[in-house]
Amino acid sequence: SQKIEQNSEALNIQEGKTATLTCNYTNYSPAYLQWYRQDPGRGPVFLLLIRENEKEKRKERLKVTFDTTLKQSLFHITASQPADSATYLCALGPSGGGADGLTFGKGTHLIIQP
Amino acid sequence: NAGVTQTPKFRILKIGQSMTLQCTQDMNHNYMYWYRQDPGMGLKLIYYSVGAGITDKGEVPNGYNVSRSTTEDFPLRLELAAPSQTSVYFCASSPDRAGTEAFFGQGTRLTVV
Repeated sequence: SQKIEQNSEALNIQEGKTATLTCNYTNYSPAYLQWYRQDPGRGPVFLLLIRENEKEKRKERLKVTFDTTLKQSLFHITASQPADSATYLCALGPSGGGADGLTFGKGTHLIIQP
Repeated sequence: NAGVTQTPKFRILKIGQSMTLQCTQDMNHNYMYWYRQDPGMGLKLIYYSVGAGITDKGEVPNGYNVSRSTTEDFPLRLELAAPSQTSVYFCASSPDRAGTEAFFGQGTRLTVV
């Protein structure tokens, strides 16, 4: 069966450093991968999308990589700030012919310490 | 710009009761989804719709029903509520299937006692 793994434990990073979050998946061939941010008591908010034929995407201080051979995506936040503290969700898009909707990982709780 | 609006925000149900979670979007999106999120778990897809009049089951549809009579609205019906349905429910919409972002509502926190 499909499986998505994210660091489910909290990740503590010092302010100003680069935070790197990992998303690994098995038994899956997603057409694309997305990253979302979720704050307590709120719905997820879209951050970045990367397609299967792309290696890297950037948006301001955010960078996502996608390695379909390793079945892994890395999500980087450079020059991290306390306001970046949140839970970050990895979500895989349907594989060809698969049902619609995203398949989510459990999320990584990121804490940026001043 | 309201986006995706869910009501109610909180609800307590007794076992065996029924209720409808409301979801409406004002972005004219074709695709709409219902997810549930349990503590420490990823969001699980309950039902989705690719347009008015078309719905399909997701990963965890048992105990739920949906309808999509208009582009804007996608209500989720719980019949005979059970404690296992205690969760936070999120409605989402997206313009199409091809990898566009999903817009989520604020969620409905449901407790079944």
